[in-house]
Amino acid sequence: AQRVTQPEKLLSVFKGAPVELKCNYSYSGSPELFWYVQYSRQRLQLLLRHISRESIKGFTADLNKGETSFHLKKPFAQEEDSAMYYCALRSAGGTSYGKLTFGQGTILTVHP
Amino acid sequence: DTGVSQDPRHKITKRGQNVTFRCDPISEHNRLYWYRQTLGQGPEFLTYFQNEAQLEKSRLLSDRFSAERPKGSFSTLEIQRTEQGDSAMYLCASLTRSYNEQFFGPGTRLTVL
Repeated sequence: AQRVTQPEKLLSVFKGAPVELKCNYSYSGSPELFWYVQYSRQRLQLLLRHISRESIKGFTADLNKGETSFHLKKPFAQEEDSAMYYCALRSAGGTSYGKLTFGQGTILTVHP
Repeated sequence: DTGVSQDPRHKITKRGQNVTFRCDPISEHNRLYWYRQTLGQGPEFLTYFQNEAQLEKSRLLSDRFSAERPKGSFSTLEIQRTEQGDSAMYLCASLTRSYNEQFFGPGTRLTVL
């Protein structure tokens, strides 16, 4: 069975400080991993996916298969980064293709 | 087409009543997913459709739940004989043909009294 774990429910940092949101997963196949973000009163939206290896809004995430982790990082947090962040794993094949398994989420608060 | 839409946005019902939610995916997205999110948890998969075919149902989807996607366009999720434990946010998402990104709707918040 696939599982995604986000160990921190709450994370508080000050503006300009580095931030790291942790995500660990368990999956028997080759994982596809994503970070989704939900800003206040907005819908869930994709932040970034591991396969594209891109940086969005200053955030990056590296897939570490040895540690089964996909931590989200930003060197200098901004107040507008305050939101709920979900790590998610996508089934890669078979009839379950596309189904996302989410972690419990981490609420990030960036203080001025 | 401004994205995935869901109706209603909020629903309050009494225990034992039936409720039906609607999801309109982004045009030409052939895959449509339903998730449920309870307080303090991430979304949990319920079921999904490829065109009009329902290809998978989670064990979370008891026999009181039924979903349809007639003609492969909009989808409905019906809950019969609602229970207080059904109170949650019900999310719909559709997937691009290139399978790159799943777009979510705003959700329907159900409260069962």
